[in-house]
Amino acid sequence: GESVGLHLPTLSVQEGDNSIINCAYSNSASDYFIWYKQESGKGPQFIIDIRSNMDKRQGQRVTVLLNKTVKHLSLQIAATQPGDSAVYFCAENSGTGNQFYFGTGTSLTVIP
Amino acid sequence: EAQVTQNPRYLITVTGKKLTVTCSQNMNHEYMSWYRQDPGLGLRQIYYSMNVEVTDKGDVPEGYKVSRKEKRNFPLILESPSPNQTSLYFCASSWSGNQPQHFGDGTRLSIL
Repeated sequence: GESVGLHLPTLSVQEGDNSIINCAYSNSASDYFIWYKQESGKGPQFIIDIRSNMDKRQGQRVTVLLNKTVKHLSLQIAATQPGDSAVYFCAENSGTGNQFYFGTGTSLTVIP
Repeated sequence: EAQVTQNPRYLITVTGKKLTVTCSQNMNHEYMSWYRQDPGLGLRQIYYSMNVEVTDKGDVPEGYKVSRKEKRNFPLILESPSPNQTSLYFCASSWSGNQPQHFGDGTRLSIL
């Protein structure tokens, strides 16, 4: 199966600092990547996505970077807030457009 | 309000007693999927459906069945549940397999 992993299982940041969450993937044929946020007791919530023809995409306070050479994905959160505390997952589309593979998640804790 | 609804939210049952977890979406999405979430393993795809009457195995389909007779519904069936199917289950939907998915709030199953 696919291997989508995260470098750090937990991350603690001070409120107002920037956060960076990393993800490695193994299938070079994957062409679509998504970051999800999961709060306690809820389902994953879409944050931002990127397709393989791009290397950077920005949203509101979030930026996703894609490095296809080393098969690495990162999520940057600017001016991290307490409401950003959650588990963050990267997900990789198998390349056929049908199947998704999720990473194991990074737990982000924002210290007030 | 756009949503994916799963029922039940919690279920404790015994080995071998058939159960069905229902999933319904009100967004007219064509793609629907089931995942299980286990500690340290992230989300793993069980089955997905590209459209009505079209279903395919995901990464961990053993012990599960699905059906897609109508666009809005995608039930997950455990014909003979076993303790290793104790997990948190999520249903999700999207316009296609190459789009962000909307997730339900999860169903926590405990098989004794």
